[in-house]
Order: sequence, then C-alpha cells, then structure tokens
Amino acid sequence: QKEVEQDPGPLSVPEGAIVSLNCTYSNSAFQYFMWYRQYSRKGPELLMYTYSSGNKEDGRFTAQVDKSSKYISLFIRDSQPSDSATYLCAMTTGAGGTSYGKLTFGQGTILTVHP
Amino acid sequence: ETGVTQTPRHLVMGMTNKKSLKCEQHLGHNAMYWYKQSAKKPLELMFVYNFKEQTENNSVPSRFSPECPNSSHLFLHLHTLQPEDSALYLCASSQDQTAYNEQFFGPGTRLTVL
Repeated sequence: QKEVEQDPGPLSVPEGAIVSLNCTYSNSAFQYFMWYRQYSRKGPELLMYTYSSGNKEDGRFTAQVDKSSKYISLFIRDSQPSDSATYLCAMTTGAGGTSYGKLTFGQGTILTVHP
Repeated sequence: ETGVTQTPRHLVMGMTNKKSLKCEQHLGHNAMYWYKQSAKKPLELMFVYNFKEQTENNSVPSRFSPECPNSSHLFLHLHTLQPEDSALYLCASSQDQTAYNEQFFGPGTRLTVL
C-alpha cells in the first residue's frame, strides 16, 4: 500500500465549477499537510498548508484535514482556466530533528478547467 | 536571479557519459533537496542537505552523487545512468529542516538517458 494515495485524474471541469481534490494516507504520524500546484514546465509551488486537523481557507481555496479518517481535501471554488495545473498533496510527520524536510507526496491530479 | 534556479533545463546523455546538474538558491536558506519526478509517480525525495551536511539519502543508487559546497549551491553528479533514470529532477530549498518551513522548488532539469 502506498503511503499517500491520490487519484491522478485527469479531471476536466467547466469554468466556474467547484473542484474537489483528495488524498488518503496510511501513516498516522503525519502532522503537516500541504497542497502544491505545478504548472507545465515549472516546479511545484506551495498553495496551502495545514497543521493537524481542521479547515483553512484562502480566497477560492479551502484545505480540509480529517486525521481520524486519514483524508485530506482541497476545494477550489469558482474555478478558472488559470487553475489548470497538476495538484500535489504532500505531508510530513514533523517528528523532530530533521524530519520536517522529509515530505511524502501523492501522485498528483491533473486538472483542466475549460472556458 | 531570484528564487531557486537550475541548470541546465534540458539534458540528453548517453549511458556512459558523466554530467552534472546545478542548483542555486537566492533565498538565504540552509536546507537544500533533490527530488526525482517521473511520469505517473509521486515526487521522490533523493537527498537532503541541512547546513551543508547530508541528512538524507533515500537509498539512491551510487550513480547519483550529490555535492553541497555551501548553503546556496547544490550539485547532482551523474555517471553511468540507465534509461529508467530519465525524469524531471527538481531542486528545492527551505529555511532549514528543524521546523516546518515551506520548500521552494526550482523549475527542474528534464533528463533523458539514451
């Protein structure tokens, strides 16, 4: 079983749709949860970061973490063509020492928002 | 230059060649990372340096040899590679590894091994 599972898609939605992206994980020690966005021919950039369980909102983006279910989500409201990219979930235990740098990534979901 | 830069952006090499990838960060960070990104697979952490000391080698074959001469520069020396090593190699940096800090990625080097 992979440590982090993410549906690779691809996912295609019309402009203005609500997009839901999800990851499940098996390591209950994960404490820090991130969503990265990667445009074509670019490196990933951090979109959202959440510590432990709960919700976090930033503009059109909402990240949710449910540690009891080992499930994280990213919601994009009023999706735009500029949101078309690959979305990667990532997580780390942050268990002390140098562990904070060891991110475990999902496979990435390719999203296309068409006008 | 700003952020994290990587050179070259594209590299084609034969299995007997020796080449090097270069990464430079202009963010004043102390931790630097090499990742491998293959199609349909998650990003794989390869090596980590924290304050110039290697803190992670994720069971990477010895044909990949990292070097970190200072906190701003990171190299990945390549020799006797295999076709399955063809991938996007990403460099990243963060403030350090001892607390959660955002990792900033470079654009990557697209490597093709013939």
